Amino acid sequence: DVKVTQSSRYLVKRTGEKVFLECVQDMDHENMFWYRQDPGLGLRLIYFSYDVKMKEKGDIPEGYSVSREKKERFSLILESASTNQTSMYLCATLYQGAGYEQYFGPGTRLTVT
Amino acid sequence: EDKVVQSPLSLVVHEGDTVTLNCSYEVTNFRSLLWYKQEKKAPTFLFMLTSSGIEKKSGRLSSILDKKELFSILNITATQTGDSAVYLCAVKRQGAQKLVFGQGTRLTINP
Repeated sequence: DVKVTQSSRYLVKRTGEKVFLECVQDMDHENMFWYRQDPGLGLRLIYFSYDVKMKEKGDIPEGYSVSREKKERFSLILESASTNQTSMYLCATLYQGAGYEQYFGPGTRLTVT
Repeated sequence: EDKVVQSPLSLVVHEGDTVTLNCSYEVTNFRSLLWYKQEKKAPTFLFMLTSSGIEKKSGRLSSILDKKELFSILNITATQTGDSAVYLCAVKRQGAQKLVFGQGTRLTINP
């Protein structure tokens, strides 16, 4: 079974803090993704990575950066957290076998006060 | 810009009812459409559709794609309270790794 873990389920940070969200997968998948999920907006892609040290902007990269130093780990960084970054953050990996299945982590609910 | 629109956004029915969830899309170089179910936490994969008119079925759930009219439906028959969830639709372009998601449909099944 594919396992995708995220470092925290719930996180509360103050405006202006630097925030790190970690995602770790155990299936050797090349592709990893960070989404945020907000009511009425669905999942929106922030960044994705298709290999170690390779990254590509998604639809809403502003205010975020990412790091992929090892294949199994993909980090999302909020350089200076703002209240409009309060959201559910979901990490996913991609399996391109018979289909195109993205396996999601449990999510981190981040509140910025 | 790629666009995926789901309807309705929210639906409340009684156990045993049949429901139909809709997903329409506008995407350049369409490759496939995917359905996910999201309960308390992570979305889980349901179906991937690439060809028009071919129904995919899993138990009480089924889905079909219409590439001419650019939409898909997800049907759930004989609904149970365990079907309560947010159902997400996403599309993928040819050659792209990323998915574009719709807003989701929140389905609530009352006993």
